[in-house]
Amino acid sequence: DVKVTQSSRYLVKRTGEKVFLECVQDMDHENMFWYRQDPGLGLRLIYFSYDVKMKEKGDIPEGYSVSREKKERFSLILESASTNQTSMYLCASKEQATGELFFGEGSRLTVL
Amino acid sequence: AQKITQTQPGMFVQEKEAVTLDCTYDTSDQSYGLFWYKQPSSGEMIFLIYQGSYDEQNATEGRYSLNFQKARKSANLVISASQLGDSAMYFCAMRERTISGGYNKLIFGAGTRLAVHP
Repeated sequence: DVKVTQSSRYLVKRTGEKVFLECVQDMDHENMFWYRQDPGLGLRLIYFSYDVKMKEKGDIPEGYSVSREKKERFSLILESASTNQTSMYLCASKEQATGELFFGEGSRLTVL
Repeated sequence: AQKITQTQPGMFVQEKEAVTLDCTYDTSDQSYGLFWYKQPSSGEMIFLIYQGSYDEQNATEGRYSLNFQKARKSANLVISASQLGDSAMYFCAMRERTISGGYNKLIFGAGTRLAVHP
């Protein structure tokens, strides 16, 4: 059974804190993605990675960075969390043949 | 500019009836793909159906079918014989090339919340 696992379902952080969101996939996929989901806006792409140590900005990269040191792991980093980064964060990996995305369960981040 | 437009924030349907969820898209690529995902209240994203731009037949998967009208750039999802478990958020998505041109990413619409009433 294919699986994308996000390390934390719920996080509460304070403004200015550094936040790590981790994502692990067991499907040997090359492509991995971080989205944020907000009501009325759907899913917006923050960053994605097409190989180890390779990354590309999505549509809303400001305030975020990513790390891909191993193929199975893709981390999203908020260097200094702000209240407008309160959101649901979804990680996904992509099956190359079909283009289908497999999603994790999401991490709901609240920044106070 | 909006690439994927879902004009219906919410829809209601009676159990056992069919419902159509609208999706229009904007792309200049000749080769692209369209996806529909379902997100129940539990939050997981569930893949429903895929349509490639060169596919001549409309995609079908069980009770789901995709009404693909290429000239109108629309890819509406049709759910037949609605069930209570179909109540969820539904997202239309399109595969498009990245700015660098080398890779594909999925961009999503804002979603439609479907409520199925008994």
